[in-house]
Amino acid sequence: DVKVTQSSRYLVKRTGEKVFLECVQDMDHENMFWYRQDPGLGLRLIYFSYDVKMKEKGDIPEGYSVSREKKERFSLILESASTNQTSMYLCASSGQGGGYTFGSGTRLTVV
Amino acid sequence: DAKTTQPPSMDCAEGRAANLPCNHSTISGNEYVYWYRQIHSQGPQYIIHGLKNNETNEMASLIITEDRKSSTLILPHATLRDTAVYYCIVRVADAGGTSYGKLTFGQGTILTVHP
Repeated sequence: DVKVTQSSRYLVKRTGEKVFLECVQDMDHENMFWYRQDPGLGLRLIYFSYDVKMKEKGDIPEGYSVSREKKERFSLILESASTNQTSMYLCASSGQGGGYTFGSGTRLTVV
Repeated sequence: DAKTTQPPSMDCAEGRAANLPCNHSTISGNEYVYWYRQIHSQGPQYIIHGLKNNETNEMASLIITEDRKSSTLILPHATLRDTAVYYCIVRVADAGGTSYGKLTFGQGTILTVHP
């Protein structure tokens, strides 16, 4: 089975810190995605990537950047964390066959 | 991608079949129907997808109407662990069912399975 691993399950950071959320998948998938999920707003796409060094903005990219230096790893970067970025962050990957596989999520709290 | 409409919530007794409907009346010819579910505090989990034929796997069955404007996800013997939010998503895919780009999630159906 495809496995998508997010580096942290829970994270607490201070306002203004630079935050890195790491995601690794082990099935050679071309596509990787970062979503955030908030109560009442559902899942919203932040950024996605079709290939190494490729990135596309999703619906809410402001305040975030991404890095994909290797096919298996897709990092989400909060350049200067703010309290409104407190959320559950979900990474996903997809390849041949159509199904998307999600990680378990990182619950980030910015204080 | 075509918009989908799902009831906000449903209940089901444990051991009975859970039938979750989804309306996608604006679906186009190259769009597949995907179902995912999200158990509390976990990432969404892929369940099944289909184009026009009914599909079955170890988790569920997917019934798509002949005009493809609606579908039903069937959990044949629901258990308490099937309590989750179920998302119906329609999106373009190639002939092999591989889709590209983002998944857009709606609000889904909260399925509660009762003892």
